[in-house]
Amino acid sequence: GAVVSQHPSRVICKSGTSVKIECRSLDFQATTMFWYRQFPKQSLMLMATSNEGSKATYEQGVEKDKFLINHASLTLSTLTVTSAHPEDSSFYICSATGDSSYNEQFFGPGTRLTVL
Amino acid sequence: AQRVTQPEKLLSVFKGAPVELKCNYSYSGSPELFWYVQYSRQRLQLLLRHISRESIKGFTADLNKGETSFHLKKPFAQEEDSAMYYCALSAQGGSEKLVFGKGTKLTVNP
Repeated sequence: GAVVSQHPSRVICKSGTSVKIECRSLDFQATTMFWYRQFPKQSLMLMATSNEGSKATYEQGVEKDKFLINHASLTLSTLTVTSAHPEDSSFYICSATGDSSYNEQFFGPGTRLTVL
Repeated sequence: AQRVTQPEKLLSVFKGAPVELKCNYSYSGSPELFWYVQYSRQRLQLLLRHISRESIKGFTADLNKGETSFHLKKPFAQEEDSAMYYCALSAQGGSEKLVFGKGTKLTVNP
């Protein structure tokens, strides 16, 4: 299957700083990428959907000014957590879908963000 | 609104026993249903989707529109099946956003 990578896999930052997480589709062109958040022992909650070259669509309750999403190319989307606070600590997962048959979503390995 | 319910947080069976992971959904339109699996320390991966009607790793799931269910079944569980299983729904195929259930942690004991 197609491969999606995320970088970094783990990041620790101080409160008030911004953190950027990259999501890359390695062997296919991702027309759509999704960003999820997963709290410990809980399910994945969709944060936003991004299409290459257009603004992201955020889910209700997700602050778009705090979670900046850029999908500048067909292989890269970035999530920037601005002015991070301890409550933003979580596991962030991206997925991507392209023009493959059945439009399957392929998931990245996730990024563990810890805000001190 | 779309909703996926997995009533069991934890499910424990013995090796060789049948296993059924329950999933119910609510959606007014015609959904596409998926089962995703997450093995320990690995990423989420697609196990099966109802439109393909495949059997993957011995697992099957049938969409029951009358009962709005998409239960995952396997007649003989194996230890390597131990993992977290998520049922998910999409309004229009996997390219649209997925709504996930809370997940069921399956443990298959030797």
